Amino acid sequence: TQLLEQSPQFLSIQEGENLTVYCNSSSVFSSLQWYRQEPGEGPVLLVTVVTGGEVKKLKRLTFQFGDARKDSSLHITAAQPGDTGLYLCAGAGAGGTSYGKLTFGQGTILTVHP
Amino acid sequence: NAGVTQTPKFQVLKTGQSMTLQCAQDMNHEYMSWYRQDPGMGLRLIHYSVGAGITDQGEVPNGYNVSRSTTEDFPLRLLSAAPSQTSVYFCASSRGPIYEQYFGPGTRLTVT
Repeated sequence: TQLLEQSPQFLSIQEGENLTVYCNSSSVFSSLQWYRQEPGEGPVLLVTVVTGGEVKKLKRLTFQFGDARKDSSLHITAAQPGDTGLYLCAGAGAGGTSYGKLTFGQGTILTVHP
Repeated sequence: NAGVTQTPKFQVLKTGQSMTLQCAQDMNHEYMSWYRQDPGMGLRLIHYSVGAGITDQGEVPNGYNVSRSTTEDFPLRLLSAAPSQTSVYFCASSRGPIYEQYFGPGTRLTVT
């Protein structure tokens, strides 16, 4: 069974601060996805990273995939109240019995106070 | 396009009852999956399917059955509901596990 450890589980910060969310595993993933989920709704994709060492930017959000494709991070610069939500990372199995399975981290509940 | 639809949105069951959660997609996606979401545990994969007639177990399959007779539909059956199955259930579809997963709105199930 592949595991993705996501940290921190809760993050409460003031508007304008920076933050980083981490996803770590001992398993190799073929890709790593980041989702954001609003209360009462399903998750919505933010980004997919595929190549080891890859960095993707989405406005104030920066996503990085580790060189060994076992870990990833999400960095938000100058957080805004609109960034409040549940952030989830998800890794796609690289092969063998993991192929076809998407493993999610436990999620990070982010609250940005005005 | 309706995307991914799930019914019902809410359901209350008594222990031992059975029911089917419906999921349908109109995007012609081969890959479909069921997750349950519990506080502090993210989403856990129950079952998934890589195409019509092909299903496989995920991380937490016990107590659930699935079938995939068409590309569009992927129902999840609870055989004999238990309080431990109280959760929010999400169905998702995509071109494959490495691609964007499109989630339905979820079914909130309570088993008493």
